[in-house]
Amino acid sequence: GPKVLQIPSHQIIDMGQMVTLNCDPVSNHLYFYWYKQILGQQMEFLVNFYNGKVMEKSKLFKDQFSVERPDGSYFTLKIQPTALEDSAVYFCASSRDRANTEVFFGKGTRLTVV
Amino acid sequence: GDSVTQTEGLVTVTEGLPVKLNCTYQTTYLTIAFFWYVQYLNEAPQVLLKSSTDNKRTEHQGFHATLHKSSSSFHLQKSSAQLSDSALYYCALSDGSSGNKLIFGIGTLLSVKP
Repeated sequence: GPKVLQIPSHQIIDMGQMVTLNCDPVSNHLYFYWYKQILGQQMEFLVNFYNGKVMEKSKLFKDQFSVERPDGSYFTLKIQPTALEDSAVYFCASSRDRANTEVFFGKGTRLTVV
Repeated sequence: GDSVTQTEGLVTVTEGLPVKLNCTYQTTYLTIAFFWYVQYLNEAPQVLLKSSTDNKRTEHQGFHATLHKSSSSFHLQKSSAQLSDSALYYCALSDGSSGNKLIFGIGTLLSVKP
């Protein structure tokens, strides 16, 4: 089936540094998402993105977070600067349509901030 | 706000026996869709079942679930568990209000033993 690719699968970074998580969504999808899963907790919505703009973001999407998809390339999540509480698995997802349609997920990037 | 509850963190069942994974929810929205996602080891979460119709049974890959709005439930069942069913199962709802945001339960790890 359609695949969402996330690069890298693991990343370790020093607190205060910048990190960019990359996502290659399904090719004909128009809506893109990031979810965050802290160990032992549920996956939580961070942000969704359409037509070059953030449509909705949760309270977890701090000011240090930003997303973009320049020229149809990777959909990225940037955290600058990182904090210890940013350690989590970040899942990228995409969907063709907006409402109540299947959302396809990547395998996730495990981010460890030390 | 919306929430999804999965009461069992781990369900262990013997191969060939029936299995049931519980999912209940709270939401204030009327237009909602429900999903069961399955995540196999080292794989991305993927949709197993989807439903938005009250009291209609949905089936896929031997699993079935029926949305019951009267009891706010969307339990997942299978009559005969297989070793290959061992995975993490997430229940999720989409309220359709904006951008296809999914609200996830914490997940249930299903372990099928020989």
